[in-house]
Amino acid sequence: DADVTQTPRNRITKTGKRIMLECSQTKGHDRMYWYRQDPGLGLRLIYYSFDVKDINKGEISDGYSVSRQAQAKFSLSLESAIPNQTALYFCATSDPTGLFGELFFGEGSRLTVL
Amino acid sequence: SQQGEEDPQALSIQEGENATMNCSYKTSINNLQWYRQNSGRGLVHLILIRSNEREKHSGRLRVTLDTSKKSSSLLITASRAADTASYFCATASYGGSQGNLIFGKGTKLSVKP
Repeated sequence: DADVTQTPRNRITKTGKRIMLECSQTKGHDRMYWYRQDPGLGLRLIYYSFDVKDINKGEISDGYSVSRQAQAKFSLSLESAIPNQTALYFCATSDPTGLFGELFFGEGSRLTVL
Repeated sequence: SQQGEEDPQALSIQEGENATMNCSYKTSINNLQWYRQNSGRGLVHLILIRSNEREKHSGRLRVTLDTSKKSSSLLITASRAADTASYFCATASYGGSQGNLIFGKGTKLSVKP
């Protein structure tokens, strides 16, 4: 089984719908992240969490919210999806030893908003 | 806010040749990391080089860092078709959001058999 699991892997939805992307990890890491990838734009940070009680906005948090339900679970919600939120979304984790360690990524959730 | 910028955007080589990708960044860094992404898949960490290091090796990978020029290069020697992927540099800097690795837009490498 993958260390970082994202569900769903693919989702097509309509404008205005609420969508939740879920992430679970078995690496035992405290730090979890949500990134968005768009063609030609690289990865951009949406939200990150250093522990269950810690949630921080990233570069592009508008239109998104997150919930850290447990150390192993971090979900991303789009309250009212819009077409420009069509993208590939990645969850990642990192080891808390050291400020800027390597990230471990899930396989991604491809979201299409019609 | 893009910190790292990879060059070239795309690179096509023959199997057995070496591939060199470059990354330039703007502000002082704690470390610089390289990641690989197969088409549509998750990113995989390749190597991390700290600001006080100049060169690092891992198998067929060689990374250099020049903090005076704010640039890094990733060299893949004796490339294989399986090296076909996108490669991203990511920089970690003090002063920005803690834990925020800033990724470049990537270099798309194609290795032809």
